[in-house]
Amino acid sequence: GAGVSQTPSNKVTEKGKYVELRCDPISGHTALYWYRQSLGQGPEFLIYFQGTGAADDSGLPNDRFFAVRPEGSVSTLKIQRTERGDSAVYLCASRIKGAPYNEQFFGPGTRLTVL
Amino acid sequence: QKEVEQNSGPLSVPEGAIASLNCTYSDRGSQSFFWYRQYSGKSPELIMFIYSNGDKEDGRFTAQLNKASQYVSLLIRDSQPSDSATYLCAVYRSGYSTLTFGKGTMLLVSP
Repeated sequence: GAGVSQTPSNKVTEKGKYVELRCDPISGHTALYWYRQSLGQGPEFLIYFQGTGAADDSGLPNDRFFAVRPEGSVSTLKIQRTERGDSAVYLCASRIKGAPYNEQFFGPGTRLTVL
Repeated sequence: QKEVEQNSGPLSVPEGAIASLNCTYSDRGSQSFFWYRQYSGKSPELIMFIYSNGDKEDGRFTAQLNKASQYVSLLIRDSQPSDSATYLCAVYRSGYSTLTFGKGTMLLVSP
C-alpha cells in the first residue's frame, strides 16, 4: 500500500513569507506526527494529532507555527512570517491506531529553505 | 544529559564485518526502543524495534536491550556497502506522546 506522502518535496521561500506543508498519512493511520530535522540532528517533535484534534503541540517552537487536520486524515503545517532559522526538513509520520509500541512510519519530508 | 545519546561516528567497518551501533537513554520509564536507518537526503526508515530485555533478531539485524544499564544496541552482521547510512535510535517514553531521537550514528561500510 501507499506510504506517507508529503508535498511539496522542496520549498524555497523568502524571509517573512507564509508557507504550508502538506502530509497525507498511510490509510487507516489515525495518529499523525510532525517533526523537524536540522542537519546533523535527529528529528525533533513538533505536534501530534489523534484524529482531528492536536493531542500534543508542545513541540511547536512559537506561535508562528500552526497545524491542522480538519478531517482526521490530511494535515497541513503552516508557518507564518518565516525566518531563516526555520530552514530544515519537515517530516511527517503516522501510526496505526492501537499500535502497542508506538511504531511510526515517516514520509519523504519537505525540505524548507528560507532565504 | 540528553535523553538519547549516540556516538555521531562515523563508524567504519569493512564489508562482511559486524557493525555495532550503541545508544543510551536517560529516562528509566522508557518503554520501547526503535532503530531507524536514514540514507543521505532521505527520510528515516524503521528497521527494528524492541521493548523487552534481551535480543531480537531480524535477518542480519539484532537489537539488544538492557534496561538496567539503559542501553540499546543494533548489530548488523555481514555488513554491506548498502548499509552505509545514519542510524537513528529513538525511544518511546512513558507519559510522552511521541518518540525522542538521538542525533544518529553514521555507518560507513567499505567494499
